[in-house]
Amino acid sequence: KAGVTQTPRYLIKTRGQQVTLSCSPISGHRSVSWYQQTPGQGLQFLFEYFSETQRNKGNFPGRFSGRQFSNSRSEMNVSTLELGDSALYLCASSRSNAGTGSSDEQFFGPGTRLTVL
Amino acid sequence: AQKVTQAQTEISVVEKEDVTLDCVYETRDTTYYLFWYKQPPSGELVFLIRRNSFDEQNEISGRYSWNFQKSTSSFNFTITASQVVDSAVYFCALSEYNQGGKLIFGQGTELSVKP
Repeated sequence: KAGVTQTPRYLIKTRGQQVTLSCSPISGHRSVSWYQQTPGQGLQFLFEYFSETQRNKGNFPGRFSGRQFSNSRSEMNVSTLELGDSALYLCASSRSNAGTGSSDEQFFGPGTRLTVL
Repeated sequence: AQKVTQAQTEISVVEKEDVTLDCVYETRDTTYYLFWYKQPPSGELVFLIRRNSFDEQNEISGRYSWNFQKSTSSFNFTITASQVVDSAVYFCALSEYNQGGKLIFGQGTELSVKP
C-alpha cells in the first residue's frame, strides 16, 4: 500500500505570494490533517478534513486554508506569505470514522519544506 | 487546556544503554488517546504506538516499551539496548475524544545514540 504523498517536496516563495500544497492520503483513509513544524514552535496542528468537510481547526490566521476533494486528496493554501511561514508542512492521513469520537493513528507524509524569502 | 510536555530536550547515550524518554500530559477529558512518533533525520514522522485512556496496561514491542500511568499523567517510552539507528527526535502526542485528527505534540526529545 502506498504511503502518504506530498507535493512539491521543496518550495521557495517571496513575501506576499501565495502557495498551494498537495497531499494524497493512503488509499481508504478519509481523514487528512495538516501540521506546521518549525524549530521555534514545534509541531502545530493546522486543520483536519474528513469527507470534504473541515472537522477541526487550529489557531492559525485565516491566510491558512484548505480543502478536501471527493477522492480524499487535500490541498492547503497560504496567502500573502510572511517570513514566519517558512516551515516544514506535514500532512497525515488516518482511517477515522465519522461519529465514533476515537482517534486513530495518523500516518505522515514526507512533508513540503517551504522557504519564504 | 490540553498540553504535552517532554522535559528532556536532548539525550545522548552510548550504544547498548537503556534510555527512557519522559512524557507528561494535561487534559480535562476522561477519554483521550496518547501517541509516540519517531522523526529520523529524513524528516518523516513514523508512528510507534497509540494508547487510549482506559488501557493502562504497559506494552512491549521488541526493544521498545511504554509505561502509561494515569495517576501521574505520564506516558514514558523506554528503549532497551539502544542502537545507532534509534537516533532520532521522538514526539509524544495527545488527542482528545471527538477531536479526531487533531494531535497536540510535545516539543520532542532528540536522542543521539553513539557507537
